[in-house]
Amino acid sequence: KQEVTQIPAALSVPEGENLVLNCSFTDSAIYNLQWFRQDPGKGLTSLLLIQSSQREQTSGRLNASLDKSSGRSTLYIAASQPGDSATYLCAKNDYKLSFGAGTTVTVRA
Amino acid sequence: KAGVTQTPRYLIKTRGQQVTLSCSPISGHRSVSWYQQTPGQGLQFLFEYFSETQRNKGNFPGRFSGRQFSNSRSEMNVSTLELGDSALYLCASSLEVTGSGYGYTFGSGTRLTVV
Repeated sequence: KQEVTQIPAALSVPEGENLVLNCSFTDSAIYNLQWFRQDPGKGLTSLLLIQSSQREQTSGRLNASLDKSSGRSTLYIAASQPGDSATYLCAKNDYKLSFGAGTTVTVRA
Repeated sequence: KAGVTQTPRYLIKTRGQQVTLSCSPISGHRSVSWYQQTPGQGLQFLFEYFSETQRNKGNFPGRFSGRQFSNSRSEMNVSTLELGDSALYLCASSLEVTGSGYGYTFGSGTRLTVV
């Protein structure tokens, strides 16, 4: 069974719309959860880190929530821009990072 | 502050050969982890090193090995390469060993193609 699931697999929105990316995970015994962005052929860029004791974390237009009891995290991106087009990955950290398959976002100008 | 540096960026090898990839973590970071990314399997954990010791290992065959030096730099070795080893290999560094609550910073990766 997949440890981390991300829905939807792909998303296309017009510029200015808010984005909601979902992540669910099995086993709530995690140290923290981290959201990353990956551009095609590139490495991963860390966006937000939420400790297991936290409920949410914010950075600029990005906000991530964490509900350990239900095994869910959500990444909100406000007022999307074409530069936000990328694949977004969530990863739970127990003794290693376990990644979801990602959500590929396209923001249309 | 320099990020995580991986070398080389690209590699083409022949089946049966071996390859060594290098990773220099962020200055002060003592943990280095390695991940394999393929279109079919996504991102998978290979191993983590901390204080020159392997702390955790993923489900990969023994052909995949690594080590960490006293300056925290790490190398990953793959012997007897197979076509299925073609992937983007990513290195991540963290301030302390996993479980300490610190996040990970990734390098740009090494793209390995086995022909």
